[in-house]
Amino acid sequence: DAGVTQSPTHLIKTRGQQVTLRCSPISGHKSVSWYQQVLGQGPQFIFQYYEKEERGRGNFPDRFSARQFPNYSSELNVNALLLGDSALYLCASSRDPRDTEAFFGQGTRLTVV
Amino acid sequence: AQTVTQSQPEMSVQEAETVTLSCTYDTSENNYYLFWYKQPPSRQMILVIRQEAYKQQNATENRFSVNFQKAAKSFSLKISDSQLGDTAMYFCAFMKHAGANSKLTFGKGITLSVRP
Repeated sequence: DAGVTQSPTHLIKTRGQQVTLRCSPISGHKSVSWYQQVLGQGPQFIFQYYEKEERGRGNFPDRFSARQFPNYSSELNVNALLLGDSALYLCASSRDPRDTEAFFGQGTRLTVV
Repeated sequence: AQTVTQSQPEMSVQEAETVTLSCTYDTSENNYYLFWYKQPPSRQMILVIRQEAYKQQNATENRFSVNFQKAAKSFSLKISDSQLGDTAMYFCAFMKHAGANSKLTFGKGITLSVRP
C-alpha cells in the first residue's frame, strides 16, 4: 500500500508569491494534518481536516489556509510568502481525528527567496 | 497549553551500546499520550513508541523502551544495542486524550549519531 504522498518534494518561491502544497493520505484514512518544521526545530501544528471540515487550527496567520477534498486528499495554501515561511511542510494522515497513530509523508521543502 | 522540552541538542553513542534520550513536558491534563518519533535524513517522521498516560507500565518496542514518570512529567527513551540505522533526529511529542483533534505538540528534537 502507498504511504502518505506529498507533492512537490521541493519548491522555491519569491517573497509575496502564493504556494499550494498537496497531500494524499493513506487509503482508508479520512483525516489529514499539516505541520510546519523550521530548520532545527520540531514540527508545529497548522491544521487538521476530517471529512472536509477543519477540526483544529494552530497559531498561524490567516495567510495559511487549507482544504480537504471528497477523496480525502488535501491542499495547504500560503499567500503573501515571507522569508520566514521557508520550512519543511509535513502532512500526516490518520483514520479519524482521535486516532493516536499518525503516518507522515516525506514533506515538501519550501524555500522563499 | 502543553509544552515539550528536549534539552539535549545532540548525542553520540557507540554501535551496540545503550543510549537514553531525555524529555520533559508540562500539561494540566490528566490523561494524554506521549510519543517518540524518529526523523532520518529522508525527512519522514516514523513513530518509534507510544505511551498512554493512564498506564503505569512503561511501553516497550523491541530495542526501544521508555521510562515514564508521570509525577515528574518525564518521558525518556532508551535505545538498547544501538545500530547505525538509529542515526536520526528524535522528537518527543504530546497529544491530548479524547481531544477534538489529534494535534501533536513536539519538542525541538535531539540529533543522535551512532558511531561504528
